[in-house]
Amino acid sequence: GNSVTQMEGPVTLSEEAFLTINCTYTATGYPSLFWYVQYPGEGLQLLLKATKADDKGSNKGFEATYRKETTSFHLEKGSVQVSDSAVYFCALSGRNNDMRFGAGTRLTVKP
Amino acid sequence: ETGVTQSPTHLIKTRGQQVTLRCSSQSGHNTVSWYQQALGQGPQFIFQYYREEENGRGNFPPRFSGLQFPNYSSELNVNALELDDSALYLCASSDRDGTYGYTFGSGTRLTVV
Repeated sequence: GNSVTQMEGPVTLSEEAFLTINCTYTATGYPSLFWYVQYPGEGLQLLLKATKADDKGSNKGFEATYRKETTSFHLEKGSVQVSDSAVYFCALSGRNNDMRFGAGTRLTVKP
Repeated sequence: ETGVTQSPTHLIKTRGQQVTLRCSSQSGHNTVSWYQQALGQGPQFIFQYYREEENGRGNFPPRFSGLQFPNYSSELNVNALELDDSALYLCASSDRDGTYGYTFGSGTRLTVV
């Protein structure tokens, strides 16, 4: 079945550091790929998405490129801020619109 | 455009009891999915409803059941509660294909004692 594996956290960075959170997937067919963010006490918010190979999703300085050859969708940001501290989830949606999530990566950014 | 609304926000139940959680989907969305998120874990897919029919189910026992109504709102019912059912329950709505992602509610925090 479809599944997502993302790097374990927690990740702690200083403000303005470069961020990479790795995500790889296993799926039949051509899934859509997503990154969601969850702030404390809240539900998940869609951060960015890509619906086909080589697409780049971007939002709020975050980027991720759908790499079919490596089955990856790594999240990157060039300069993180304290306000980016949250838990980040990689997810995929297959043909049946069943969204599957990774275990999440907690990011803490220190001033 | 309204988002996804879940009620109640917090709930405490005793082992063996039954619980009903409610979700109003985002305007224009006809598909509702339910997830269980244990502390420190990713959301686990419970089931999905489309046009009032169950449209997929994860690895959860039959005591987890649901409904979707003509206005696309939904309920999650859990019978014979167990301590391990303590979690954040998330509802998400989408269009039929989900290509543009899901819109999540803030969740219901269920504690079983």
